[in-house]
Order: sequence, then C-alpha cells, then structure tokens
Amino acid sequence: GAVVSQHPSWVICKSGTSVKIECRSLDFQATTMFWYRQFPKQSLMLMATSNEGSKATYEQGVEKDKFLINHASLTLSTLTVTSAHPEDSSFYICSAREAGTVMNYGYTFGSGTRLTVV
Amino acid sequence: QKEVEQDPGPLSVPEGAIVSLNCTYSNSAFQYFMWYRQYSRKGPELLMYTYSSGNKEDGRFTAQVDKSSKYISLFIRDSQPSDSATYLCANLPRRGGYNKLIFGAGTRLAVHP
Repeated sequence: GAVVSQHPSWVICKSGTSVKIECRSLDFQATTMFWYRQFPKQSLMLMATSNEGSKATYEQGVEKDKFLINHASLTLSTLTVTSAHPEDSSFYICSAREAGTVMNYGYTFGSGTRLTVV
Repeated sequence: QKEVEQDPGPLSVPEGAIVSLNCTYSNSAFQYFMWYRQYSRKGPELLMYTYSSGNKEDGRFTAQVDKSSKYISLFIRDSQPSDSATYLCANLPRRGGYNKLIFGAGTRLAVHP
C-alpha cells in the first residue's frame, strides 16, 4: 500500500530558530501534498495545499512567510517553520495524494511531527 | 454551521460492545465519504471509504451513508481495546475543491476491557 514517510517524528527547538519537516511519498508520485496542524484533542486543521512545481496555497489565517512549503519533486514536500515560537508548538501532519486517483494511493497521511519550541 | 459535524465524545464502551459513530454534513456536493482512525500522536489511517448511499462492510467495520439525510455512520462490532482511538469522518466534494478533504472534529473512543 501507499506509504508516506514523515520526519522527524519529534523535534525540540529553541525559540527563534527554524525547523524543517520532510514528507516523502515512498511508492507513488504525489502531485499534491497537504500540511495539517493539530492541537491536543482537536481535529486536523489544513494549513496549506502544495502542488509539485508551483507555489503552495495557504488557508486563511495561515502565515505563508512563517510556514514555508516547498514541493520541488513528486515525492518530497517540506514544511519549514521559521523563527519558531512556543505558540507554534503543535503536531504537524502531512498527507499526499497521487494524481488521477481519489482513493487507493490518495490521501495517505504521514505519521506526524511533534514540534516543541522552548 | 460547519460543513461536517461530529460529536467529539469521548465515548467509552466495554469490550465486545457495538460502537456507532456518526457525522452529518451540509454540502450536498460531497461525493466521497471516508472514515479515518487516528491513534494518539500518530497520523490518521484510512479505515473505509464509500461514494454511494448504503452500507459497506469490512470485517468488524461497517460504513453507512444516507445522502438523503446527509448522515454518515461507522459501526464497529465486537469492539476491542485496540480500537481505542480518535475516529475522523471526512468528505470530498464532487468538484471545485475536489482535492481538499473536509474533516469532522473527530470522536474519541475508549474501549475498556
């Protein structure tokens, strides 16, 4: 089955530094990847949608200069949290979708990254 | 009104019970309906999906969709402690935003021995 690898699984960083999270589709080409944020006991909040080779589309209220998304290849998307602050501490999850499908390889989620900013 | 409404629970049941999880949705353009299971500190995993009204069964799980009332359900038979997780319903519109899942709030389920 489709596998999406996300790492690191957890990271602790100092306030003011930047953190990069990687999301890779291992056995399919992901033309679209999604980045979510999840607070404890809450549902997933979509942050942005990225299509390979083009700029990401950010949801309302998400700062694009703070959450930099790069989707340079069909198997890799990265989310960089720039100048992280404690309020950015959260669980970040990526999801990848293969072109031309709704299910099967579509919408496979990574295992998430727990970011703690101290 | 949210596009997908789901009671967050928590729902606590004894082992072996039949569990019923439900969502309602408001957008009649939704065509695909999914249930995801999410264990604590993990990404969601797809349990079941369907695109038509009626029932779809997979082992102990049954997904049910009633498009006329915009109501979707997930039934878990013979529930096990390993079923303890958060269950998220998700919908996809037919077109125009086709690639963006719309999630419910998620229902936390605890199955105790």
